[in-house]
Amino acid sequence: DGGITQSPKYLFRKEGQNVTLSCEQNLNHDAMYWYRQDPGQGLRLIYYSQIVNDFQKGDIAEGYSVSREKKESFPLTVTSAQKNPTAFYLCASRPDGYSNQPQHFGDGTRLSIL
Amino acid sequence: AQSVTQLGSHVSVSEGALVLLRCNYSSSVPPYLFWYVQYPNQGLQLLLKYTTGATLVKGINGFEAEFKKSETSFHLTKPSAHMSDAAEYFCAVSGNAGGTSYGKLTFGQGTILTVHP
Repeated sequence: DGGITQSPKYLFRKEGQNVTLSCEQNLNHDAMYWYRQDPGQGLRLIYYSQIVNDFQKGDIAEGYSVSREKKESFPLTVTSAQKNPTAFYLCASRPDGYSNQPQHFGDGTRLSIL
Repeated sequence: AQSVTQLGSHVSVSEGALVLLRCNYSSSVPPYLFWYVQYPNQGLQLLLKYTTGATLVKGINGFEAEFKKSETSFHLTKPSAHMSDAAEYFCAVSGNAGGTSYGKLTFGQGTILTVHP
């Protein structure tokens, strides 16, 4: 079945450490997104990519980095500059950038600080 | 700029009762509107969407929503709640594609639905 796979499901970060969250999709979608979810705050956009080798900052990009070297992959790195990384991270994709296409979501990665 | 307000962070109903989750939006262009549901420790699943055409939209699991432009609302309803409906629900808005927005989704803060037996 086609879908979005996020790994790992749970991740722990030590102080000063960078960690990378994986997102892979086999839906042949062009556009991919990373969101951060905190209780009571909904979802906030970190980065998005409309096409391979191109990506844009979202609303809360500071302390995060991404790459889009392959159509099916959009990894997110949480750097040591992100001082409050504890959150639930969701990856999403859609066929293209048109607004009437709904986004499809993975099952998320929960990141905590050791 | 666009924004979404979900009235009520928590809603509690009895099994079999009407479910009403409220969503108001702000958008400078005709919006596209979505409702998603999230079960604990899972991703978001699309319930329904409004793009153009009929203002009453039917979704999965018996949910429906009505787009009211004059009230800038897109409330979610279900005539009879089931225990399995207990989850968090998110309303989201997206403007028309164009410029640099690329169909960016803006989410509300979410409403947790509790269903009592």
